[in-house]
Amino acid sequence: DGGITQSPKYLFRKEGQNVTLSCEQNLNHDAMYWYRQDPGQGLRLIYYSQIVNDFQKGDIAEGYSVSREKKESFPLTVTSAQKNPTAFYLCASQPPHGGEQYFGPGTRLTVT
Amino acid sequence: GENVEQHPSTLSVQEGDSAVIKCTYSDSASNYFPWYKQELGKGPQLIIDIRSNVGEKKDQRIAVTLNKTAKHFSLHITETQPEDSAVYFCAASREDDKIIFGKGTRLHILP
Repeated sequence: DGGITQSPKYLFRKEGQNVTLSCEQNLNHDAMYWYRQDPGQGLRLIYYSQIVNDFQKGDIAEGYSVSREKKESFPLTVTSAQKNPTAFYLCASQPPHGGEQYFGPGTRLTVT
Repeated sequence: GENVEQHPSTLSVQEGDSAVIKCTYSDSASNYFPWYKQELGKGPQLIIDIRSNVGEKKDQRIAVTLNKTAKHFSLHITETQPEDSAVYFCAASREDDKIIFGKGTRLHILP
């Protein structure tokens, strides 16, 4: 059963703690993306990776970090430097040569 | 870089009526235009897409039109149903490049 998964669905953290969000895909896609979505807002690109061991900053990378050690996995770390981390985080993957992005179910992060 | 504008931000239509969402893009080299539907608490899902070599594409009750000269594209939903209530995103991209999304339209289908 192919797809893209994110875990956990809900995550709660105290201010000042780093937290890592998981994203896994078994679609054999090279490209993977992380977006942030705030209430009533669109999708803002945090980081993306078009190949293993390589990634680029998106529009709002400050306070976030990623790694891409395996094709299947693209974890996102929300660091304590992110001023307003509470949001809905979406991961996506994309096949070679562009086209449709496939989204995971999202992780809702709440930091208090 | 590419910029995608989407209107309206909120749309309410009576069940059975049609809904139209419009987008404009800035990069004339963009050639792929997908539309996504996002239900509450879920990730977006592709509902229809169009490439720049065609002007219109239809799939049952949904259709997309593209005007490359004006850099406009639109989503049309006919005979709207309650399950059409969701947030819809348009997007644009060049070949092999990241997708740029509009800010979304919240569609309400009124009973």
